[in-house]
Amino acid sequence: NAGVTQTPKFQVLKTGQSMTLQCAQDMNHEYMSWYRQDPGMGLRLIHYSVGAGITDQGEVPNGYNVSRSTTEDFPLRLLSAAPSQTSVYFCASSYISVGEAFFGQGTRLTVV
Amino acid sequence: GIQVEQSPPDLILQEGANSTLRCNFSDSVNNLQWFHQNPWGQLINLFYIPSGTKQNGRLSATTVATERYSLLYISSSQTTDSGVYFCAVDQGRGAQKLVFGQGTRLTINP
Repeated sequence: NAGVTQTPKFQVLKTGQSMTLQCAQDMNHEYMSWYRQDPGMGLRLIHYSVGAGITDQGEVPNGYNVSRSTTEDFPLRLLSAAPSQTSVYFCASSYISVGEAFFGQGTRLTVV
Repeated sequence: GIQVEQSPPDLILQEGANSTLRCNFSDSVNNLQWFHQNPWGQLINLFYIPSGTKQNGRLSATTVATERYSLLYISSSQTTDSGVYFCAVDQGRGAQKLVFGQGTRLTINP
C-alpha cells in the first residue's frame, strides 16, 4: 500500500498565484486533514474532513479552500498565495476519529 | 483549546546514552501519538498511546491519562535517532483534530 501520497514535493509560487496541493490515501480512511508546519514549530491544523462531502475549518484556515468529493482524495487549494503561506504542508488520514493518524511526506511550498 | 507542552526543547547526547522526553497536556484526551521527524522532514509514527505503556525495540512510551502526561524513553541512543520528536493529542469529539507540541530536538553525537 502507498499510504498517504502528497504531490508535489516542492513548489515555488509567486505572490498572487493559485495552486492545488494534492493528497490521496488508499487505506479507505474516512478522516483526512491538512496541517502546516512553520520553522521551529509543531504542526497546525488548516482544514479537516470526516468523510466525503464533509469538511470544516481548523486552527489556521484563512487563505485555503478544501473539498472532499471522494473518500480517497482531499486537495488543498491556495486561492491567492502570500509569502506568509511559505511552509511545509502535511496531509494526514485516519480510519476513525480517535485512531492512529498517518502522514504524507509533505509539500515544501515557497511563496516569493 | 487544549495546550500541549513538550520538554526539554533541546537535548544533546552521546551515542549510547538514554533519554526521557516529556509531553504534558492541559485537558483529557482520547488520542495521543508520538512522532519522529527525521532530518528529511518525514513524520514517522512511533506510538499510538492514549493510555498505558508500549515498547518497540529501544523505544518505549507511557501515558498517564489521569495525570495528563506522556513520556517517551529512548535507550542506547544511535545517531539515527536524531531529529525532532513530537507529541500530538486529540480530544476525539467526532473529528480528528490533532494538536501538536512544539517538539523536542534530539541530537545524538557519535
